[in-house]
Amino acid sequence: NAGVTQTPKFRVLKTGQSMTLLCAQDMNHEYMYWYRQDPGMGLRLIHYSVGEGTTAKGEVPDGYNVSRLKKQNFLLGLESAAPSQTSVYFCASSYLERGDGYTFGSGTRLTVV
Amino acid sequence: GEDVEQSLFLSVREGDSSVINCTYTDSSSTYLYWYKQEPGAGLQLLTYIFSNMDMKQDQRLTVLLNKKDKHLSLRIADTQTGDSAIYFCAERTGGFKTIFGAGTRLFVKA
Repeated sequence: NAGVTQTPKFRVLKTGQSMTLLCAQDMNHEYMYWYRQDPGMGLRLIHYSVGEGTTAKGEVPDGYNVSRLKKQNFLLGLESAAPSQTSVYFCASSYLERGDGYTFGSGTRLTVV
Repeated sequence: GEDVEQSLFLSVREGDSSVINCTYTDSSSTYLYWYKQEPGAGLQLLTYIFSNMDMKQDQRLTVLLNKKDKHLSLRIADTQTGDSAIYFCAERTGGFKTIFGAGTRLFVKA
């Protein structure tokens, strides 16, 4: 099983550029999440989805958009990148009702210069 | 609001036991988790405990839950250098969302 796959693994953007991060899961999970990880701040939820075609804002949604056109894919877009968006981005997925936690991808390290 | 707190660093000698502590604020938590993150990798679920349990043991790992004090701990017996990583405490709140702590970086000295 591949689990959760994130692409790309690394990216450098110039301020104002846009990009899309792709997350794909093969576990038939209903829920999918995008987090960012910054030193000393743990994980902060950007956006999440409870099913195909639905998305919702998390704790730090500004500057990001998401889409979930297919159950297995969750895309995170940066419309106009800013240096404050330099971070490591993690995608995760989970079942609807079960309490057995999240499965995480290996992360995308994004630097905005 | 919901919050999960844990100390940032812990240093132990190889072969000793490690105890990582965590406190949380949401009394309606259903599940509590410990995740491990190795350098350059994503978080990996280590173990979890349902909120009506006091203790869970899984090989070298022991999780203790004090629901009255909203305190969770992870004990790693016979700590090895391969256990060096960041350990995240997390609570699943009344819905499906999970709140993560900032992580405790465990250093294991040989």
